[in-house]
Amino acid sequence: KAGVTQTPRYLIKTRGQQVTLSCSPISGHRSVSWYQQTPGQGLQFLFEYFSETQRNKGNFPGRFSGRQFSNSRSEMNVSTLELGDSALYLCASKTGYSYEQYFGPGTRLTVT
Amino acid sequence: QKEVEQNSGPLSVPEGAIASLNCTYSDRGSQSFFWYRQYSGKSPELIMSIYSNGDKEDGRFTAQLNKASQYVSLLIRDSQPSDSATYLCAVNWGSGGSNYKLTFGKGTLLTVNP
Repeated sequence: KAGVTQTPRYLIKTRGQQVTLSCSPISGHRSVSWYQQTPGQGLQFLFEYFSETQRNKGNFPGRFSGRQFSNSRSEMNVSTLELGDSALYLCASKTGYSYEQYFGPGTRLTVT
Repeated sequence: QKEVEQNSGPLSVPEGAIASLNCTYSDRGSQSFFWYRQYSGKSPELIMSIYSNGDKEDGRFTAQLNKASQYVSLLIRDSQPSDSATYLCAVNWGSGGSNYKLTFGKGTLLTVNP
């Protein structure tokens, strides 16, 4: 079974721009979660989508948003980028009601 | 503020030794606990999950959970250089698979010396 895939793998953006990241979950997984990983803060939960609805949300500003499509693929958008948004963005998927989730390879975002 | 605490390390052990990684968490109501391994430049990989008090063994890995002490640990027996990585402890504060809020510790860097 193919794993979680994320595109693009690397991205460089300028402060003030916006960015969209994409995630395709493991086949059959309907839950997709997004995380931000930085050296200072570690891995932090952004939000979870299940059946096209945001089911859980972390403590991030409204500039961070997401959506999920009917095929369970998910996108995450960050508007008005700040230097502090430079991070590894990770997507993870699981079945709807299980506890174990599996991560994709991540998208490395650099904001200059 | 729900917190997950890990010793940042680095923890250095010789090849063949037992590596012991520890994690404490702040919320007594937590139900599920996970250990992820993350190699430098890679994404986290799930290696163990544990849901009830006691020990759970999988190959060279043993997870131990003590909910009364709010403590979870990971033992790696016969440590190999390929085990050198950062180990992340994660705790789910939610009450079920649908109320899923995973909080991670900042990780312990393990180095296994040949």
